[in-house]
Amino acid sequence: AQSVTQPDIHITVSEGASLELRCNYSYGATPYLFWYVQSPGQGLQLLLKYFSGDTLVQGIKGFEAEFKRSQSSFNLRKPSVHWSDAAEYFCAVGALDISNFGNEKLTFGTGTRLTIIP
Amino acid sequence: DVKVTQSSRYLVKRTGEKVFLECVQDMDHENMFWYRQDPGLGLRLIYFSYDVKMKEKGDIPEGYSVSREKKERFSLILESASTNQTSMYLCASSSRQPQHFGDGTRLSIL
Repeated sequence: AQSVTQPDIHITVSEGASLELRCNYSYGATPYLFWYVQSPGQGLQLLLKYFSGDTLVQGIKGFEAEFKRSQSSFNLRKPSVHWSDAAEYFCAVGALDISNFGNEKLTFGTGTRLTIIP
Repeated sequence: DVKVTQSSRYLVKRTGEKVFLECVQDMDHENMFWYRQDPGLGLRLIYFSYDVKMKEKGDIPEGYSVSREKKERFSLILESASTNQTSMYLCASSSRQPQHFGDGTRLSIL
């Protein structure tokens, strides 16, 4: 069974500092990996996705993530955070099964809440 | 851009009521999903549908049912609401990944 671990429940960083949010996954095949962000009271917005190819993927809002197969990790990074980045971040793993539409479920981590201090 | 619309942002119902949560997507996606989100538990899949009238149970289907009569609409039904179903409910749709989410419905059962 697939699973996702986000070991940090809550992270606090200063505005302008760098950020790394950790994500480890367990998946039996080649994973499709995602990072989503959720602002308070809102739905989830896709930050970036990894399907194949270059293991360093760029997303929106200046975020990037690196897929490391040997470590089963997909950590999210940003070189300099802004106060507007305060939100909850979710890592997810899933599949793209072109033979079976029903196999597009995602498994989510429990999230990391990011607080930004001035 | 994909638009996933959930009919209510906030909903308050009473124990024992039958509750309907509606979700509509405008991108002709085959797949639609219902999740509930609780603090510390992340998102848990309740049901999903990969075609009209097709549905499959997710991880926590007990106490819920779903309906998909049209491709664009996916309804979540709480047959007899209970207080432990107070939660944030999120709908999503997809075609060949990724999933796109609505803004959520915060449901309170009193």
